[in-house]
Amino acid sequence: AQSVTQPDIHITVSEGASLELRCNYSYGATPYLFWYVQSPGQGLQLLLKYFSGDTLVQGIKGFEAEFKRSQSSFNLRKPSVHWSDAAEYFCAVGLTGGGNKLTFGTGTQLKVEL
Amino acid sequence: GAVVSQHPSWVICKSGTSVKIECRSLDFQATTMFWYRQFPKQSLMLMATSNEGSKATYEQGVEKDKFLINHASLTLSTLTVTSAHPEDSSFYICSATGEGGETQYFGPGTRLLVL
Repeated sequence: AQSVTQPDIHITVSEGASLELRCNYSYGATPYLFWYVQSPGQGLQLLLKYFSGDTLVQGIKGFEAEFKRSQSSFNLRKPSVHWSDAAEYFCAVGLTGGGNKLTFGTGTQLKVEL
Repeated sequence: GAVVSQHPSWVICKSGTSVKIECRSLDFQATTMFWYRQFPKQSLMLMATSNEGSKATYEQGVEKDKFLINHASLTLSTLTVTSAHPEDSSFYICSATGEGGETQYFGPGTRLLVL
């Protein structure tokens, strides 16, 4: 069965510092890959997605992610974090032909220090 | 584009009553809708997948008679929690995909508290 691992439960960064959130997946083929962000008490907002092509994907709010097939990773990055980026971040994996179902990682809680 | 709404945003009900939650795609036709449950500080747990005009497909361990899902139109799916009990208290989130789409767009969630 496929799985998604976000090894960092909590991350704290200073405002203006760079950020990298890790995501690893376990699946035989190349899945669809997503990063979502969730603010407290809210639904999930799509940050970016990877289906195929260029392995460096640009998203909203200045985020980007890089798909590395050899490492089965899809890490999320931002060069300069803003206090408003504090939220929960979820990596998700979808299967080709899987009926669009997603498997979510356990999430990483980002705290931004001013 | 790709906006999904949920109503109500929160609801408090007495144990034994039924609660209906609506999920609407506002600017696209949602051929597939998904219902998730999220416990505090945890990830999303998929409850069921519904396709317009078809019966929902429930994930293992989810009681289909307790969580009734209806997807009667391309823009509306409903989740009814029947005979709710305190352990059903949770945050319920829906999502939707359009025709041929692999991207799920999420609603803002509904917080249910059963007293």
